[in-house]
Amino acid sequence: SQQGEEDPQALSIQEGENATMNCSYKTSINNLQWYRQNSGRGLVHLILIRSNEREKHSGRLRVTLDTSKKSSSLLITASRAADTASYFCATLPNTGNQFYFGTGTSLTVIP
Amino acid sequence: NAGVTQTPKFRVLKTGQSMTLLCAQDMNHEYMYWYRQDPGMGLRLIHYSVGEGTTAKGEVPDGYNVSRLKKQNFLLGLESAAPSQTSVYFCASSQYPGTSGHQPQHFGDGTRLSIL
Repeated sequence: SQQGEEDPQALSIQEGENATMNCSYKTSINNLQWYRQNSGRGLVHLILIRSNEREKHSGRLRVTLDTSKKSSSLLITASRAADTASYFCATLPNTGNQFYFGTGTSLTVIP
Repeated sequence: NAGVTQTPKFRVLKTGQSMTLLCAQDMNHEYMYWYRQDPGMGLRLIHYSVGEGTTAKGEVPDGYNVSRLKKQNFLLGLESAAPSQTSVYFCASSQYPGTSGHQPQHFGDGTRLSIL
C-alpha cells in the first residue's frame, strides 16, 4: 500500500499549547495535503504543499515538507478546544490521479 | 451553498441486497471520488472520475461500480452487498488540476452503511 502514516495516532494537549503531528509516505509525490475531520462529518481541507515547497503557513497552521525523508509535519499553534478533531495527510504521487490518505491523528484539546 | 451532498446518510442492508449511493456537487468540479473509511485504515479510494462519462478504478474497487452520466453526479453501486462492505462512504470533488496542479478535495458528510 502507498498509504501514508500519521504519528502519533492520538494526541491530547491543554488549550493554548502547540500540537505537532507527522506524516510519512512511501513514494515521490506531486503534492501533500492536510485535512481535518470532526466527529461524524466529512473531511475539510486545511492546507496544500507542493513537492517543490518546504514550508507553508495558514493562520495558526504551519506545514513543513521534507521530500528527502518522505515526511511532513503539521503544527497547530495556540490550540483551541475547537481544534479537537482527526487530522489526515493525503499524498498525490507524481503519476496518476489517486490520493492516498494516512491513518490519521486524533487530537484532543482540553479546555 | 450546498457543496457536496450525499444521499442517503444512513442505510442498513442485508447480505446480497443491492443499492446505489448518490453524490451531487454544485461547484462545477471536473473530478469526483468515492472513498470508504474504516477504523484504523484511513480513507481508501474506491473509484474516481476525471470528467462526465469517465470512470477509473482506485485502490479498492472490487464489489463496487460507478457511473458519471452527469457532471454534477457520481453514483456508487453495490450489486450484491457483503458484510465486508460495512463502512462509511465519502464522496469528494475537486477542480480540474490545470497548470497549477491538483486542487483540494471537497467532501460530503458521508453515508454510513451497515451490511448484516
